[in-house]
Amino acid sequence: EVQVVESGGGLAQPGGSLRLSCAGSGFPVSNYWMHWVRQAPGKGLVWVSRINTDGSMTTYADSVKGRFTVSRDDTQNTVYLQMNSLRVDDTAVYFCAREWWTGYIDYWGQGTLVTVSS
Amino acid sequence: EIVMTQSPATLSVSPGERATLSCRASQSISTKLAWYQQKPGQAPRLLIYDASTRAAGVPARFGGSGSGTEFTLTISSLQSADFAVYYCHHYNKWPPGTFGQGTKVEVK
Repeated sequence: EVQVVESGGGLAQPGGSLRLSCAGSGFPVSNYWMHWVRQAPGKGLVWVSRINTDGSMTTYADSVKGRFTVSRDDTQNTVYLQMNSLRVDDTAVYFCAREWWTGYIDYWGQGTLVTVSS
Repeated sequence: EIVMTQSPATLSVSPGERATLSCRASQSISTKLAWYQQKPGQAPRLLIYDASTRAAGVPARFGGSGSGTEFTLTISSLQSADFAVYYCHHYNKWPPGTFGQGTKVEVK
């Protein structure tokens, strides 16, 4: 069974850092582009970042560019999102998701909550 | 950036009735459109991809149509499990793959 499990969320202060992890099971993460999507409380889905199969290509939403870094460790079957210089408006549930080869997102994790507050 | 606009924001429907949700793209995206269902506290669930193909395990009462800039998700006979928020999402060009703002389907 394909599963995606996020971890690492929690409370951070403005200007602080957190690292989220996304572990895949039932499939090799190395074969897929992987995404991070976030959802602020009571709001809609917003795409954050994407990483290709070998980690050589990463893209980011303008709102996080220069502050967030996506990476992957295929030996751990895991994708990471390093979040620096956190702002209050980064508060959201962060979902990790798998992209099927033809471009759409097919599997999502349950999400991990990041709260940025002083 | 392609903007996805969903309508209506909220749809009030009685169980057993038909629901029709719309999604419009600001420029042509061919059929590179997916629909997701999200219930409170849960992850989004893929319903439809390539505008009209049902994902594995999705009941036949869910149907997608459209191409170019206009798309529709139809739920032929609403069941209690179908009351949720629905998002459209384009993947014609990354980045970014933008989402619509969502349509909440609620009990009338």
